[in-house]
Amino acid sequence: DAGVIQSPRHEVTEMGQEVTLRCKPISGHNSLFWYRQTMMRGLELLIYFNNNVPIDDSGMPEDRFSAKMPNASFSTLKIQPSEPRDSAVYFCASRLDGGNTIYFGEGSWLTVV
Amino acid sequence: ILNVEQSPQSLHVQEGDSTNFTCSFPSSNFYALHWYRWETAKSPEALFVMTLNGDEKKKGRISATLNTKEGYSYLYIKGSQPEDSATYLCALRDDKIIFGKGTRLHILP
Repeated sequence: DAGVIQSPRHEVTEMGQEVTLRCKPISGHNSLFWYRQTMMRGLELLIYFNNNVPIDDSGMPEDRFSAKMPNASFSTLKIQPSEPRDSAVYFCASRLDGGNTIYFGEGSWLTVV
Repeated sequence: ILNVEQSPQSLHVQEGDSTNFTCSFPSSNFYALHWYRWETAKSPEALFVMTLNGDEKKKGRISATLNTKEGYSYLYIKGSQPEDSATYLCALRDDKIIFGKGTRLHILP
């Protein structure tokens, strides 16, 4: 079975450019999470969706960040304009309602120069 | 605010030695505690999910305990091996899942 699929795996972009990260959750999972991993802050929850609806976006750092989930099998995290301090690993994860375990993708490694 | 604390932040252990580290969390509104193992460039991998006070889980040389009344969980690794080198993440679940910053474990040959 396919796990959580993220793309791109690696992205290097210049400051000011728009970055779009993509995620395909495990089929049938109702909840989708976007996390950001940095050395300073560890794994931070940015936003999570349940049944395609954003439930809590309090972790989104600022207006430059936005996330959408147009359907049950796809979500995007967009940064516009990107800044060097956005450099991090962005993880997407999904979970089936009623289940305890969340399953992570392999992450998107973003470097903004 | 849900705050999950892990200690130590980093740990160096000689191959063959046993080790343990801690996850602390607020003891109110507890639902479940997760341990994940994360190797760089890979997906974090679920190790354990524990929900009941006094729970103990074991997977090979790795085990975990849970005390919900005092708000802590311990992860133990017996007879460390080089492949145990990773970051071990603890997470607390209520309606969302909040992670600690992890304990970065280095096994020295």
